[in-house]
Amino acid sequence: AQTVTQSQPEMSVQEAETVTLSCTYDTSESNYYLFWYKQPPSRQMILVIRQEAYKQQNATENRFSVNFQKAAKSFSLKISDSQLGDTAMYFCAFMKARGGSEKLVFGKGTKLTVNP
Amino acid sequence: DAGVIQSPRHEVTEMGQEVTLRCKPISGHDYLFWYRQTMMRGLELLIYFNNNVPIDDSGMPEDRFSAKMPNASFSTLKIQPSEPRDSAVYFCASSFGAPAFFGQGTRLTVV
Repeated sequence: AQTVTQSQPEMSVQEAETVTLSCTYDTSESNYYLFWYKQPPSRQMILVIRQEAYKQQNATENRFSVNFQKAAKSFSLKISDSQLGDTAMYFCAFMKARGGSEKLVFGKGTKLTVNP
Repeated sequence: DAGVIQSPRHEVTEMGQEVTLRCKPISGHDYLFWYRQTMMRGLELLIYFNNNVPIDDSGMPEDRFSAKMPNASFSTLKIQPSEPRDSAVYFCASSFGAPAFFGQGTRLTVV
């Protein structure tokens, strides 16, 4: 069974600075997806960024980027130029690629606070 | 598309009552998931469907919980009878491949 581990329950960062959230996962699959979801106080689950395991290039979405280390089974999220609106819970998630059971497995989350 | 639609947004009910949560997935999506979120346990997968067929319901906590997907555009999660420990936010999500898109959740409070 796949597992996702987020070792940082809480983090804080000053506005405009950079912060990195950690995520490790365990799987025997070779083809899968990894995601970071953001959950602000509104409780909506918002997709931040996705990474396909077969792609060596790290995904980037504006101020959000990942460091995907497949051999180490690590998938960290870097937020650059942090903004107050980035304050939220961040969840790392794993999904097998099509052909297997496609359930989304989540980590426990990291609560990020951006301070003014 | 309007995204995944859940109703109601909030539900307050008395212990012992039946509760039904509803979900309309994104059109064309073939997977539908029901998750429960609590402070203690985080996001738990309760059950998921593929093409309206339940694939894995091992996360359903007990027989009081049941879920159906009568067609591709509608699913329900029912709790009967409800208990205070069922209080949580219940999310529905749907996908076609990846990623999964979430509804806004139903906050259930059982008093």
